[in-house]
Amino acid sequence: GAGVSQTPSNKVTEKGKYVELRCDPISGHTALYWYRQSLGQGPEFLIYFQGTGAADDSGLPNDRFFAVRPEGSVSTLKIQRTERGDSAVYLCASSQIAGPSGANVLTFGAGSRLTVL
Amino acid sequence: DQQVKQNSPSLSVQEGRISILNCDYTNSMFDYFLWYKKYPAEGPTFLISISSIKDKNEDGRFTVFLNKSAKHLSLHIVPSQPGDSAVYFCAASARTSGTYKYIFGTGTRLKVLA
Repeated sequence: GAGVSQTPSNKVTEKGKYVELRCDPISGHTALYWYRQSLGQGPEFLIYFQGTGAADDSGLPNDRFFAVRPEGSVSTLKIQRTERGDSAVYLCASSQIAGPSGANVLTFGAGSRLTVL
Repeated sequence: DQQVKQNSPSLSVQEGRISILNCDYTNSMFDYFLWYKKYPAEGPTFLISISSIKDKNEDGRFTVFLNKSAKHLSLHIVPSQPGDSAVYFCAASARTSGTYKYIFGTGTRLKVLA
């Protein structure tokens, strides 16, 4: 697509429920990133994929968080047993990795706002 | 451990004047830097980048300066316009270490006064 698409744009759920957030990256972009942004903070790195595999998942806060990208395009961030502290805007970005000396710009979606009651 | 810091949470500038937004980092392995602008309810939008092999990059009204010895970069906006009012984030990665993970600062809210 023309840009990075994230669904849903807003999600309200109850504590303890399971949530899935979807990201559809720019066509042809090999890298896909998930960030989380809380009020007044910068985007906090969660995970990034190169193709289908997670290249770095060091930002996932605990084992309740999991992300997949089975065909190297669309990705789903999955949160189990949600807690109130999970409330944030979840941002997805995609990029065409141009190597260590080329441009590597992340294009972000509008985000999915998650509210856990 | 905040590896990328933006120590000024907010900045107000008169229209037509220069806006200078600062960013400091602690990891000497960072070698590629990005600046983003964010409006409310939108995702961050890319502005300008700089590689550690340069000390300056310019694109229209936006110039980024990199001081590697001080681990400091700054974004200059000249002339500032009311539409520049947004939150600005710097981000850094250590690409030559084999990672394309970006660490973001906490942001600076710029307000350009008409």
